[in-house]
This record gives sequence, C-alpha cells and structure tokens, in this order.
Amino acid sequence: LAKTTQPISMDSYEGQEVNITCSHNNIATNDYITWYQQFPSQGPRFIIQGYKTKVTNEVASLFIPADRKSSTLSLPRVSLSDTAVYYCLVGLLISSGSARQLTFGSGTQLTVLP
Amino acid sequence: DAGVTQSPTHLIKTRGQHVTLRCSPISGHKSVSWYQQVLGQGPQFIFQYYEKEERGRGNFPDRFSARQFPNYSSELNVNALLLGDSALYLCASTFSRFEPNTEAFFGQGTRLTVV
Repeated sequence: LAKTTQPISMDSYEGQEVNITCSHNNIATNDYITWYQQFPSQGPRFIIQGYKTKVTNEVASLFIPADRKSSTLSLPRVSLSDTAVYYCLVGLLISSGSARQLTFGSGTQLTVLP
Repeated sequence: DAGVTQSPTHLIKTRGQHVTLRCSPISGHKSVSWYQQVLGQGPQFIFQYYEKEERGRGNFPDRFSARQFPNYSSELNVNALLLGDSALYLCASTFSRFEPNTEAFFGQGTRLTVV
C-alpha cells in the first residue's frame, strides 16, 4: 500500500481557506485518493475522493497533479467546527486482493482559531 | 435512515476479562470492518467480513476474533484483555467488498478502557 505523509498539525483562522497537502510517492496506477475527517471520540467521516485532476463537492475540493504523487485537500472558509483530524488515504485494496482495508496514517490535526 | 450503530458506547473491563462489541451496518450494506484506534493514532485495521465470511485480517493477535451474522451485523470479541487493548473500536460498513471508490461509513465507536 502506498504510504502517505502529511503535516502533523496546522492552525488557521475562521473564514480562511485551508489547504492540507499529502505526499504519496508510491501511488499505484489503480489507487484512489480519499480524505476522511474525524472529530474526537467519533468515527472518521468521508470527505472526498478522487483519482486525478480536480474533484469538488459541497464541503471540499481535492487537487491532484498529473503525476499523482501528492494531493491537496482544500477547505474553503473554515469555521471553528472544522477543527478535526484529517486523514489522507491511498490505495484501498491490500496486496492479496482478498479484503478491502483502509490504511490510516497519523493524520493532520487542523485547529481553527476565532 | 440509521447509520452504523455500535454498542456499547463505553465499556470498562479489567485485565484478563473478555469483551464483546457489537455493530449494525447500514441497511443494505454487506461488508463490515473493524478498526482499533489508540489515542493519538489513526485507526488500524483488524478484520473485514463480507457475506458472513472473514475476508481480511490485520496484524492483531488471536485474542481478537469476530463474526458476522445473517443480518450482516457483527461482533468483535477480545479475550484475555490487556491494558494495551484500551482504545476506540470502530466499525465501518460498505455495500460491497472490493470497489475502491466505495465510501466506508463509520460508527461512533466503542470506547474500551482496560484497568
């Protein structure tokens, strides 16, 4: 599975745009890139998923360059309630192909300040 | 529409005891996975079940076991509890087993404390 690297923490102020970049140099051709959000003592929540170029939904955008070795999650105009841990995941099948496993790293703690 | 439900929400056990955690997936979802999340770390994969069969196992000792019932609900069992088993146990459900672009839905988790 492709290993991901993302910043341990980030601070931002309310109303700003936040960009969290994830490196995944060993991404495979068939791998998707998925971001999850997790609040304390809750399960992770799917934010967005993409394969290449740009994906946008009602809460975020995901930018993926042509080489797909990195990706950037963009959160427009963050609020205090966006304070959470954000996980970047790459590759959703383990090598044996017999199970569907999500591999989480340590994530990025985003703190939104007033 | 109910999401993934887990019970109990909190649990305190003593070392050496066993524990059973329960999960009900979203209606229509056939795959259930279990994850352990230790404080300060990301969730770690324990098991995946699909159509009542184990389809994947993470790097966890044999003290951990699970099963899936005909209604697709699932139980995670942990025997001979250790202090290090204290964690948030998460259940995730998906409709299918393989499709990589299928969103996984997580429950709120069960907070297990071993004393």
